[in-house]
Amino acid sequence: AQKITQTQPGMFVQEKEAVTLDCTYDTSDPSYGLFWYKQPSSGEMIFLIYQGSYDQQNATEGRYSLNFQKARKSANLVISASQLGDSAMYFCAMSSYGNNRLAFGKGNQVVVIP
Amino acid sequence: DTGVSQDPRHKITKRGQNVTFRCDPISEHNRLYWYRQTLGQGPEFLTYFQNEAQLEKSRLLSDRFSAERPKGSFSTLEIQRTEQGDSAMYLCASSAWTSQPGRYEQYFGPGTRLTVT
Repeated sequence: AQKITQTQPGMFVQEKEAVTLDCTYDTSDPSYGLFWYKQPSSGEMIFLIYQGSYDQQNATEGRYSLNFQKARKSANLVISASQLGDSAMYFCAMSSYGNNRLAFGKGNQVVVIP
Repeated sequence: DTGVSQDPRHKITKRGQNVTFRCDPISEHNRLYWYRQTLGQGPEFLTYFQNEAQLEKSRLLSDRFSAERPKGSFSTLEIQRTEQGDSAMYLCASSAWTSQPGRYEQYFGPGTRLTVT
């Protein structure tokens, strides 16, 4: 079974500052993918970034980067230069390469303040 | 193509009634997923289809739930004899293989929010 843990309380971030969202995972699958999604108040899940378990380099997508530490089973999301539009819930998720269904954590609430 | 669409966006029903939700995936996507999200939680997997075949169902999907994807295009999720515990956001996602990088990337619809009174 796959398990994602996100335990940080809600976070307030100053605009233009960076924020790190923690995610740890547990799986027995040798091959898996890690994802981060953003869910604004409108409810839609928006894909942000992906990291494969065999990727040698940490993934980056614009202002998003993923700090992947495989031995520690962590996949933290870093958002640089926060913007007001970054205020949302952020979910870490994982899937195995076989079935591709996603297992999500409980999410991190981020509020960006001017 | 405007992405994954779901209908209705909101549904209020009385306990014991049947409800049906529809999901229209991105047209070239062969995989379609249903998830349920309750307040304060992340989405939980319910079931997924590859083309018209339902390949996996979660234990969360009780006998009152049924999903179909005729002809491998749109999908419907029906809940019979609704209970208050069924109140949640029902999310649909679709995916296709992307070679760069190699993975199935899931794109979500806006969800259907169900309230059972």
